[in-house]
Amino acid sequence: RKEVEQDPGPFNVPEGATVAFNCTYSNSASQSFFWYRQDCRKEPKLLMSVYSSGNEDGRFTAQLNRASQYISLLIRDSKLSDSATYLCVVNIAGGGADGLTFGKGTHLIIQP
Amino acid sequence: GAVVSQHPSRVICKSGTSVKIECRSLDFQATTMFWYRQFPKQSLMLMATSNEGSKATYEQGVEKDKFLINHASLTLSTLTVTSAHPEDSSFYICSAREGGNYGYTFGSGTRLTVV
Repeated sequence: RKEVEQDPGPFNVPEGATVAFNCTYSNSASQSFFWYRQDCRKEPKLLMSVYSSGNEDGRFTAQLNRASQYISLLIRDSKLSDSATYLCVVNIAGGGADGLTFGKGTHLIIQP
Repeated sequence: GAVVSQHPSRVICKSGTSVKIECRSLDFQATTMFWYRQFPKQSLMLMATSNEGSKATYEQGVEKDKFLINHASLTLSTLTVTSAHPEDSSFYICSAREGGNYGYTFGSGTRLTVV
């Protein structure tokens, strides 16, 4: 069983639409959760951390359900520049010295 | 913000040769450095974790004698791919954490092609 699972997509979405991604993680000891964005052939960049209470950053909303081991990302009013691969990422140590565990990513294509 | 400089960004080498990849933290001290590898359409996979001044800890399945990691200072870590083979062709990327700091800063990655 993969540690972090995501639907790879691609999700083809018209500009201005709302799109949601989901992710599940297998290790119940996971303590920190993130969404990263990766553009083609580039390094991943932190989009936002995910908190138990849910959090919002502009058009982006992240939710965490620890009981179901499920993380979501909602993008409202999508822009062409949102086209990228979105990586669901967890950390077991919760800020310790352990590395991050990445999902394979969900490929999003925003169409004009 | 924190910056990690990684180079080379792209390298092509012949099979059997060694390649060194450097990551430097420019404005902070990288107590811990993580090295990842990403094959096409795959997730980033952690290869090893290194703490300044000590030996790296390798993930299962990663050959420590093939992927040599040096983290001799708080601002520099290197990964050397020894006796490279075509199957080592991949995107290698480092990530640094400052001691006690929650954030991870990624280098820009190195695309290695072994011919």
